[in-house]
Amino acid sequence: NAGVMQNPRHLVRRRGQEARLRCSPMKGHSHVYWYRQLPEEGLKFMVYLQKENIIDESGMPKERFSAEFPKEGPSILRIQQVVRGDSAAYFCASSTTGGLNTIYFGEGSWLTVV
Amino acid sequence: AQKITQTQPGMFVQEKEAVTLDCTYDTSDQSYGLFWYKQPSSGEMIFLIYQGSYDEQNATEGRYSLNFQKARKSANLVISASQLGDSAMYFCAMREGYEYGNKLVFGAGTILRVKS
Repeated sequence: NAGVMQNPRHLVRRRGQEARLRCSPMKGHSHVYWYRQLPEEGLKFMVYLQKENIIDESGMPKERFSAEFPKEGPSILRIQQVVRGDSAAYFCASSTTGGLNTIYFGEGSWLTVV
Repeated sequence: AQKITQTQPGMFVQEKEAVTLDCTYDTSDQSYGLFWYKQPSSGEMIFLIYQGSYDEQNATEGRYSLNFQKARKSANLVISASQLGDSAMYFCAMREGYEYGNKLVFGAGTILRVKS
């Protein structure tokens, strides 16, 4: 299966801890997107990255959240000092280019903050 | 203002019948794309179908077709011959223009339940 790979699938963190979510895009894809899905809601855009560059982070909360997509390795979404409101499903997606083509999603990472 | 509106929070359909899930959108861009995704109870997002704003024909993928009415700004998903496995949440999404990459705006979703 050469799809978008996310891990962990499920993550439990205590308030104040850090959460790191990883995403490996589909083979040949160099554009990565992170979306968040709060309970009972649709997905909301967070950030768009290409290798070593953040292209659009207009959906990222200003504090505690950061994302990177290094030259080597997966994209990382990092949430510092997690709070209960961060509990959500975090989806990564990838595409070959930034233009008009299909975007494929990973299976999601479910973060629960206790 | 809502960019994507899905007015049906929940729908029921009898197995083997067709069902239409509504989606209306709002954009001033001439170039945009419309997507439908399925999210089963297991949680993953499954791509179903895509319609570009300049596509003259309605998109079809197997049992899925997109009823694209540009003047009405609607992009309804039609599922023919419903199956029990079609029970899931369905999301309509839109991508505007070229410069935003694949930044999608999602609707709130419609839960579809297929009855046997």
